[in-house]
Amino acid sequence: EIVVTQSPATLSVSPGERPTLSCRASHSVDTYLAWYQQRPGQAPRLLIYDVSTRATGIPGRFSGSGSGTEFTLSISGLESEDFAVYFCQQYKKWPYTFGQGTKLEIK
Amino acid sequence: QVQLQESGPGLVKPSETLSLTCTVSGGSISSGSYYWVWLRQPAGKELEYIGRIYTSGSTNYNPSLKSRVSISGDTSKNQFSLRLSSVTAADTAVYYCGRSFFGGPIDYWGQGTLVTVSS
Repeated sequence: EIVVTQSPATLSVSPGERPTLSCRASHSVDTYLAWYQQRPGQAPRLLIYDVSTRATGIPGRFSGSGSGTEFTLSISGLESEDFAVYFCQQYKKWPYTFGQGTKLEIK
Repeated sequence: QVQLQESGPGLVKPSETLSLTCTVSGGSISSGSYYWVWLRQPAGKELEYIGRIYTSGSTNYNPSLKSRVSISGDTSKNQFSLRLSSVTAADTAVYYCGRSFFGGPIDYWGQGTLVTVSS
């Protein structure tokens, strides 16, 4: 099973800043990586798939990069609605696995 | 717009079988190149893939749960269901159903339903 590790667990940032969230896979997942956002009490929402392709309706301030085992999610011009938990998922090898998440909180 | 809604008991006794149904609207579980999936998220932990069913009816299960899991579809009701047998407290979690395209990313999710295993 591919283990997915995210860092940091919590990231404190101010509105308007550009946070970078990290995701690392224990084995190469090529470009089979997605990012999701989860607000409290809500279902996850797909943000990005195939490392850098934004899902339908996702604003351009979200961007993803990386390949192999190291990936990042960046959010430019952080807005209040962006404070949530973000987690990544690999879908290279079954069973597909998720990271434990990074909580983005207001500084 | 595809919508999914989980339903089923919120409380299950240890050693019994957990049964959940996901009702899909705005899309058919028997058409397109989609997998219909079940996941769960114990409190404070990461999401875990339970399994999936393709539009053809073929299934894949997480090896860690394979001996206890069954996923089936009912095309007449546009629903798919999860059965997890011999549950323990470790199976307490929020259970989600969803739709996965190209077998990977999950683009539509249900709201999730909390299932507690307790006597």
